[in-house]
Amino acid sequence: ETGVTQSPTHLIKTRGQQVTLRCSSQSGHNTVSWYQQALGQGPQFIFQYYREEENGRGNFPPRFSGLQFPNYSSELNVNALELDDSALYLCASSFGQGRSDYGYTFGSGTRLTVV
Amino acid sequence: GENVEQHPSTLSVQEGDSAVIKCTYSDSASNYFPWYKQELGKRPQLIIDIRSNVGEKKDQRIAVTLNKTAKHFSLHITETQPEDSAVYFCAAGGTGNQFYFGTGTSLTVIP
Repeated sequence: ETGVTQSPTHLIKTRGQQVTLRCSSQSGHNTVSWYQQALGQGPQFIFQYYREEENGRGNFPPRFSGLQFPNYSSELNVNALELDDSALYLCASSFGQGRSDYGYTFGSGTRLTVV
Repeated sequence: GENVEQHPSTLSVQEGDSAVIKCTYSDSASNYFPWYKQELGKRPQLIIDIRSNVGEKKDQRIAVTLNKTAKHFSLHITETQPEDSAVYFCAAGGTGNQFYFGTGTSLTVIP
């Protein structure tokens, strides 16, 4: 349906643990952005990857880190999980040399619950 | 950075009526304004967008207007249907590598 796939769809972790979320970008897209969407809120920008390098970061601590691979897929890693990290994590791919006006295609997200 | 405010947070309309959602932004350099629809448990889906060089754009029952001077833009849905019920998010961007989202409007269309 969307072309952007995320895995897993749901995840439950314990406070202090580490988690890796994965995203496969839509065909032809070379930029991947990650957002955190807390319940009842709009998505908040975590960071973006373009050409395998971080290309901008929002107001998130260093324990949020990422990777982009040569096939443009991406991972989001979160260390030392906190209860407030519980959220829907959205990946969006686009083609625009890192710009934000080429229209994102969002994945269905990963629902992370930290207990 | 950019700050996007969205109102109302909840909106209920009768089927067939119109719905209007309004957003304001703070950064006059923002030049791209998408609107997303998010159904429960699903991904945000782009429904319409507008760039700063136009004042209005329509796509069937959906329209978006932009007032650059006042730094606000609005989503208009006419002849609402129950399947329009969802959370709608506005966003501002185009100056960098991220979108700034509003806090969402939960629209309920009552049959």
